[in-house]
Amino acid sequence: DAGITQSPRYKITETGRQVTLMCHQTWSHSYMFWYRQDLGHGLRLIYYSAAADITDKGEVPDGYVVSRSKTENFPLTLESATRSQTSVYFCASSESQGGNTEAFFGQGTRLTVV
Amino acid sequence: DQQVKQNSPSLSVQEGRISILNCDYTNSMFDYFLWYKKYPAEGPTFLISISSIKDKNEDGRFTVFLNKSAKHLSLHIVPSQPGDSAVYFCAASADTGGFKTIFGAGTRLFVKA
Repeated sequence: DAGITQSPRYKITETGRQVTLMCHQTWSHSYMFWYRQDLGHGLRLIYYSAAADITDKGEVPDGYVVSRSKTENFPLTLESATRSQTSVYFCASSESQGGNTEAFFGQGTRLTVV
Repeated sequence: DQQVKQNSPSLSVQEGRISILNCDYTNSMFDYFLWYKKYPAEGPTFLISISSIKDKNEDGRFTVFLNKSAKHLSLHIVPSQPGDSAVYFCAASADTGGFKTIFGAGTRLFVKA
């Protein structure tokens, strides 16, 4: 199916564990993004990627690691999960960045760190 | 410091009436403003946008108004329908190379039947 998919949809993990959230898009969009959604903060950018092997920090990158070895995949790893990383995570992709460019979002991953 | 602010966390409107969602921004560099709609358990989807050189953009029941001098924009939904109940995010962007779109905190709209 064409589109952008995230997995898992729900995840519960323990403090200190490493966890990876997956994101896959089929449009061959150059740009991919990871956001977290928290009450009162809206969508905050964690990391983004302009192309394969090119990644950069967003507004709240601490505690997260990303990679992009293939254009279609953009996994997000929490190296040592903390309770403050409990959130809903959205992956998005777009043809370009900024301007009037529409971003396409995945369904989200609800992560709970206990 | 939030560059894009949606000061109303929620809004309740009767079906058939007008819904007005507001958004304020602080950075004069923004060239485009976008609205996204989000249903529960789904990702946000693009709704409508406006260029900073315009003061109005209309798409069916949805109209966005931009007041650059006041650094304020609003999304009008007329007439409101129960299916419009969702969270609406205002976002701002710029044509400057490498600029990252900034989102507001969102406003939850309830349209009562």
